[in-house]
Amino acid sequence: GENVEQHPSTLSVQEGDSAVIKCTYSDSASNYFPWYKQELGKRPQLIIDIRSNVGEKKDQRIAVTLNKTAKHFSLHITETQPEDSAVYFCAPERLTDSWGKFQFGAGTQVVVTP
Amino acid sequence: GAVVSQHPSWVICKSGTSVKIECRSLDFQATTMFWYRQFPKQSLMLMATSNEGSKATYEQGVEKDKFLINHASLTLSTLTVTSAHPEDSSFYICSARGYAFNIQYFGAGTRLSVL
Repeated sequence: GENVEQHPSTLSVQEGDSAVIKCTYSDSASNYFPWYKQELGKRPQLIIDIRSNVGEKKDQRIAVTLNKTAKHFSLHITETQPEDSAVYFCAPERLTDSWGKFQFGAGTQVVVTP
Repeated sequence: GAVVSQHPSWVICKSGTSVKIECRSLDFQATTMFWYRQFPKQSLMLMATSNEGSKATYEQGVEKDKFLINHASLTLSTLTVTSAHPEDSSFYICSARGYAFNIQYFGAGTRLSVL
């Protein structure tokens, strides 16, 4: 099955600095790469995603980069704010049979200090 | 975005009883629904994938006789935890996806406490 590794497990940044989280996967058949943000006791929220035909995607302060050859994708948050504090998960999708399913990384606890 | 409703949000039950959790897609037809389990401060673990009209596909290590999944229609999937025990206490989250898009939309989750 898919092996997904996410680093770092915790990340503490000063407000205004940048944060980068990396996700490595093993299945070369993966073709859709989302990042989720989960606040305590809440459902995961999709914050950005990228498909395998694109190398980079940006949405305001958030960006995702994909390196399919090396089988990793990264989440970049610039100008961090206290409300960015949460747990972030990558969950590359892989196709099995005729539909896809997601395997979540272990998560990164991001703490933004004012 | 699409809306997925999950009920109940919190349930407390006695050991040995069964609990049913519902997951509904409110404004789209869900061809696939996923059921996840999440322990405190841990990641989401996929339990099973449910497609309308087909039997659910369970992940390795998940007991299908204990976690019964029924995807009865294009808008409803249910997870029944049978003969629940304290070790089944966890946060259960469903998600749904529709035709022609990768994105999965999550329900709010159900916190199950088995006494």
